[in-house]
Amino acid sequence: GESVGLHLPTLSVQEGDNSIINCAYSNSASDYFIWYKQESGKGPQFIIDIRSNMDKRQGQRVTVLLNKTVKHLSLQIAATQPGDSAVYFCAEKIIGNEKLTFGTGTRLTIIP
Amino acid sequence: NAGVTQTPKFQVLKTGQSMTLQCAQDMNHNSMYWYRQDPGMGLRLIYYSASEGTTDKGEVPNGYNVSRLNKREFSLRLESAAPSQTSVYFCASRNRGGGAETQYFGPGTRLLVL
Repeated sequence: GESVGLHLPTLSVQEGDNSIINCAYSNSASDYFIWYKQESGKGPQFIIDIRSNMDKRQGQRVTVLLNKTVKHLSLQIAATQPGDSAVYFCAEKIIGNEKLTFGTGTRLTIIP
Repeated sequence: NAGVTQTPKFQVLKTGQSMTLQCAQDMNHNSMYWYRQDPGMGLRLIYYSASEGTTDKGEVPNGYNVSRLNKREFSLRLESAAPSQTSVYFCASRNRGGGAETQYFGPGTRLLVL
């Protein structure tokens, strides 16, 4: 699910399977990264974040991986559920800076 | 806590009309932000306020003005709406200091300019 301009990438996953959503970030100076989940008609909801001094961070059913060498971020969701269906955005910033830059998002659909 | 609240939820304007989008947060956050979200795109920053009494331009400020009324409230004004401003507008807030970087978002205002 790489961001590819104006068309929202999509990913369909069978319920119960694991999903991986990818994101290429743009600024090599960014040192803070965050994943948001946005359900239809709602605002973005925080999922998990990671700082550049880490390459992996785990939450409940979610894991974020950071590869600074190739400026790549991924979100792994384990044992997907229907409620995981949403658009997922990665975002990057420089710690202390006010500006958070968003990727274009990936639409995840969980197939029952 | 209600978190970040926005009013109105929906609005239809005619070209040239003005309106103010309201945002309030009850988390005692220092920083507040206005974003717009267009189809197939991520959120783009319009304006932000790092603290009460200060505002700064973001990526797409043209056609908008903001007011940080107090620590809780941050409003976005369209003086003369244009069809290009049809979008979904999100307000967010963040607690500065102590390593807090996460922005928390409101439910959005859906604006249609005819």
